[in-house]
Amino acid sequence: KAGVTQTPRYLIKTRGQQVTLSCSPISGHRSVSWYQQTPGQGLQFLFEYFSETQRNKGNFPGRFSGRQFSNSRSEMNVSTLELGDSALYLCASSPGFDTQYFGPGTRLTVL
Amino acid sequence: SQQGEEDPQALSIQEGENATMNCSYKTSINNLQWYRQNSGRGLVHLILIRSNEREKHSGRLRVTLDTSKKSSSLLITASRAADTASYFCATDETGANNLFFGTGTRLTVIP
Repeated sequence: KAGVTQTPRYLIKTRGQQVTLSCSPISGHRSVSWYQQTPGQGLQFLFEYFSETQRNKGNFPGRFSGRQFSNSRSEMNVSTLELGDSALYLCASSPGFDTQYFGPGTRLTVL
Repeated sequence: SQQGEEDPQALSIQEGENATMNCSYKTSINNLQWYRQNSGRGLVHLILIRSNEREKHSGRLRVTLDTSKKSSSLLITASRAADTASYFCATDETGANNLFFGTGTRLTVIP
């Protein structure tokens, strides 16, 4: 099976802009989770979707949002970008409540 | 905030030696997972141990879990240069694909 794919791999934006990141899970996986990784805060959970419903949400401001489509593909959106949003955004898929398989990540740089 | 703390933060060993990394966490868990990350890329799942298990093996990896001490260890035997990476423990508290990651151990294996 193909692994988790994320697009784009690299992105440069300026403060105040918004960005949308995409994640395609492993075929058959219905759960998609998003994480942010920064040198200062490490890996932090953003949210998780299962069958198009958000089941869990981490402690991030409302500028961070996401959604999941009927084919399990997921997008996350960050509005009004801040410098501190520069990070590696990782998506992970899972067949249920178990091992998560991570994509290569999207490296976002906010200038 | 992150759930786990890992020790040591960095570890440098010669090829062929064993590497041991420790992880401590704060609350009750459903399972604990170990991941590897190479140079800011995506995370690779190594092994999952459930809260009712005490030890698990996978190839050169051995993981132990002590729920009374809220700690886990990852042993990599006969290390190789290709094992050079950052290693993270991640706890799943509720079985809901909401992982809390540790701070990571940076392992360097010298050829």
